[in-house]
Amino acid sequence: GQNIDQPTEMTATEGAIVQINCTYQTSGFNGLFWYQQHAGEAPTFLSYNVLDGLEEKGRFSSFLSRSKGYSYLLLKELQMKDSASYLCAVLDSNYQLIWGAGTKLIIKP
Amino acid sequence: GAVVSQHPSWVICKSGTSVKIECRSLDFQATTMFWYRQFPKQSLMLMATSNEGSKATYEQGVEKDKFLINHASLTLSTLTVTSAHPEDSSFYICSAEGTSGSMSYNEQFFGPGTRLTVL
Repeated sequence: GQNIDQPTEMTATEGAIVQINCTYQTSGFNGLFWYQQHAGEAPTFLSYNVLDGLEEKGRFSSFLSRSKGYSYLLLKELQMKDSASYLCAVLDSNYQLIWGAGTKLIIKP
Repeated sequence: GAVVSQHPSWVICKSGTSVKIECRSLDFQATTMFWYRQFPKQSLMLMATSNEGSKATYEQGVEKDKFLINHASLTLSTLTVTSAHPEDSSFYICSAEGTSGSMSYNEQFFGPGTRLTVL
């Protein structure tokens, strides 16, 4: 079966750095997405990785290792508004998005 | 970026009634739209994939006679929850697939969601 694993919840301090990991086992791979979702709102796109390596976009970076079935989202200089759920999703061989359960990130002052 | 609207944003209805939710791509044409359901503290669950002009493809366990999907045009898909019951109370989110600029992948653009409460 297809599976996406990410931690259920993480806590970090304002101004610090946090890394949210995601491992996946899917039938085929056509890319990995990270989305941010605030409570009661729809997800918003953060990043897309299809090749191995690190993609940096401002305070957020996303890393992919296809051989390890592994990705992480790195958030730097954390702000209170970064408190949200972060969803990892993989595009499988049928171009269908397989979603992880999300990681709830709590930022403390 | 591309904008997807959803209407209504929230609805409260009595058990046994039907509720229609609209999903529109405002500034692009979406041949494929997706309908998701999300229960509290859970991830998105894909309900069905909707292609313009053809029947929707439902995920396993989703009753197609209960959740009617119509994708009549390249900018509009509707989800009708028929004979809604309290267990159908959830956050329903649609997304529309579009090509993101020069990128080779199709990005999903999400609507703001519809919170359905069935009494």
